[in-house]
Amino acid sequence: DIQLAQSPSSVSASVGDRVTVTCRASQGIGSWLSWYQQKPGKAPKLLIYAASSLQSGVPSRFSGSGSGTDFTLTITSLQPEDFATYYCQQAHTFPSTFGQGTKVEIK
Amino acid sequence: EGQLVESGGGLVQPGGSLRLACEASGFTFSYYAMNWVRQAPGKGLEWVSGIGGSGGTTYYADSVKGRFTISRDNSKNTLYLQMNSLTAEDTALYYCAKDNLGDFYYYGLDVWGQGSTVTVSS
Repeated sequence: DIQLAQSPSSVSASVGDRVTVTCRASQGIGSWLSWYQQKPGKAPKLLIYAASSLQSGVPSRFSGSGSGTDFTLTITSLQPEDFATYYCQQAHTFPSTFGQGTKVEIK
Repeated sequence: EGQLVESGGGLVQPGGSLRLACEASGFTFSYYAMNWVRQAPGKGLEWVSGIGGSGGTTYYADSVKGRFTISRDNSKNTLYLQMNSLTAEDTALYYCAKDNLGDFYYYGLDVWGQGSTVTVSS
C-alpha cells in the first residue's frame, strides 16, 4: 500500500500568516493527490484535487503543488476560518490512503 | 451539488454484523463512483472501500477485505456497506462520499454525508 506522510503534524500560526503543509508518498503517484479540510464535528471538505486544481468555491488563498512523491498545500494569508485539520489523499493506486493529518492551530 | 444521508449505524457486539446505507439526492447517482471513509474517535481519516458507478468494480482497504462488502442500488440511489465479523477496531464514524468528477476515483471526494456511528463493544 502507498503510505502518505504529512508534515508537520501540527503548526501554530497567526491570522495573516502563510502556512505550508507537505505530503510525501512512499512511491510515485503522478498528480493523483487531493487535499481536504476538516473542522471538529464536521465532514471533510475537498480543497484541491489532481495536486493543484482548486475545487469550485474554495478561496484562492489555498493552492496545491507537486507531483510524483512530494506535494504541498499552501495557505496564503491565513484566515480565522482556516484553523482546522488538513489531510492529503492518494487515489493513484488502490487501496486509496490518507495522510495522518496536519492540525493548524491559532498561535 | 448533491446530498448524502447515512443510516444504519449503532452498537453491535464483537463478531456481529451491521449494514450501513447512504441515500443520495441531487445528482445522477449512477454516474459517480462512491466511497466509504471512516474516522475512529479522535483519529484521522481512513479510506474503507470504493465502488464504480455501475457497481461492477469494487475496492477495499486491507483492514476490511473479506469482512466488508460494498454495493449499490442505482434504482434506489443508495450505497451500502455490509460489515461482518466486526471488532473493536471497526468502531468509527462512517462517511459515504461521492467522487468529484464522475466514475474516476482520481479527482477527490466532493460530497460527504454527515456520518453514521458504529460502535463495536460487548
